[in-house]
Amino acid sequence: QEKVQQSPESLIVPEGAMVSLNCSFSDSASQSIWWYQQHPGKGPKALISIFSNGNKKEGRLTVYLNRASLHVSLHIKDSQPSDSAVYLCAVGATGGNNKLTFGQGTVLSVIP
Amino acid sequence: EAAVTQSPRNKVAVTGGKVTLSCNQTNNHNNMYWYRQDTGHGLRLIHYSYGAGSTEKGDIPDGYKASRPSQENFSLILELATPSQTSVYFCASDFDWGNYAEQFFGPGTRLTVL
Repeated sequence: QEKVQQSPESLIVPEGAMVSLNCSFSDSASQSIWWYQQHPGKGPKALISIFSNGNKKEGRLTVYLNRASLHVSLHIKDSQPSDSAVYLCAVGATGGNNKLTFGQGTVLSVIP
Repeated sequence: EAAVTQSPRNKVAVTGGKVTLSCNQTNNHNNMYWYRQDTGHGLRLIHYSYGAGSTEKGDIPDGYKASRPSQENFSLILELATPSQTSVYFCASDFDWGNYAEQFFGPGTRLTVL
């Protein structure tokens, strides 16, 4: 069974800082990696996904995937108070279905 | 944007009672999922479905049943609720694109079993 571990557990940064979130997984053949954002009292919402080794940039977000080291990271540039939320890393199963295994999450607080 | 709704939003149940959590999606998604979220565990998959009439066991199915009577509706059933099932439950859905579809989540149901 896929195992997904996130670090750090929580993070407090000043507004405008660069934020780096980490995620390690156990199966190098995993098909897809997703980052979800969850605000208090809400359901998770997909932010960005990556399927191939390398990096992907969307606006203030950049994700780096290294399958050899079983590691993916999410970087948020110029963080805003509205970015304060729980960030969940999710890894897609092999075998043609879309089952996701989630990490335990990182709580981000951006202080004005 | 895909819309997933859940009912009830909050539920208090007694130990040994039956609880049914409901989920509806209006986007004609094939796949639907039930997760629970607990502090320190992230989201854990309970049951999922590939379409009307099908249900599959997820990673933590014990104590739960699921029902998918139609494309739009997916229910989670606790026949004999226990305090350990106190949690926040999320329903999600996606298209059948294999490994690459984004899952869309509902707002969650907070269940307390006394």
